Amino acid sequence: GQQLNQSPQSMFIQEGEDVSMNCTSSSIFNTWLWYKQEPGEGPVLLIALYKAGELTSNGRLTAQFGITRKDSFLNISASIPSDVGIYFCAGRLTGGGNKLTFGTGTQLKVEL
Amino acid sequence: SQTIHQWPATLVQPVGSPLSLECTVEGTSNPNLYWYRQAAGRGLQLLFYSVGIGQISSEVPQNLSASRPQDRQFILSSKKLLLSDSGFYLCAWSVPVGLGYTFGSGTRLTVV
Repeated sequence: GQQLNQSPQSMFIQEGEDVSMNCTSSSIFNTWLWYKQEPGEGPVLLIALYKAGELTSNGRLTAQFGITRKDSFLNISASIPSDVGIYFCAGRLTGGGNKLTFGTGTQLKVEL
Repeated sequence: SQTIHQWPATLVQPVGSPLSLECTVEGTSNPNLYWYRQAAGRGLQLLFYSVGIGQISSEVPQNLSASRPQDRQFILSSKKLLLSDSGFYLCAWSVPVGLGYTFGSGTRLTVV
């Protein structure tokens, strides 16, 4: 099945740094979602985006629905050790019902 | 409020043995239900999804099957496990049209 291209694949950053990751596709999506998965747990929804150009924040996290509707971005400001985990983007294709397509994940590690 | 339960949390099974993983959802009716597999802590592979009792769609050909005997119960099975069936299995639910998926806490399956 189709997958979203997510980058970077992994990041190793210093505590306090800002983090950016993105997700791209050749198809148009009508919804973009960002999830975080901690070790041994299921992914948890962080942010949902429903309109092209939409910018939504959740604490130190900010996500944007790309204007072309083919991409989305997630930024984490002033990273802290508990930000470690795998971040997944997910999108819902127009006409795709409620099926989500997931990105390949970005593994984030934070160094104290 | 809605909750999703998945069990067992971990499972070690010999090659050739049968498998049954169960997932139940509480606090909602007629949910869409999904089974995902995650290998090596990375990408999420959709295995099966169901939009109603007895309605199962398979995304990839494999050694596994799924059943939905009740509205809020989703079961993942195998008659004979293979080594390649090892992985982290996640159940998820969603409303038919709406927000993202809510994931269970996962089952770590190791086939030996």
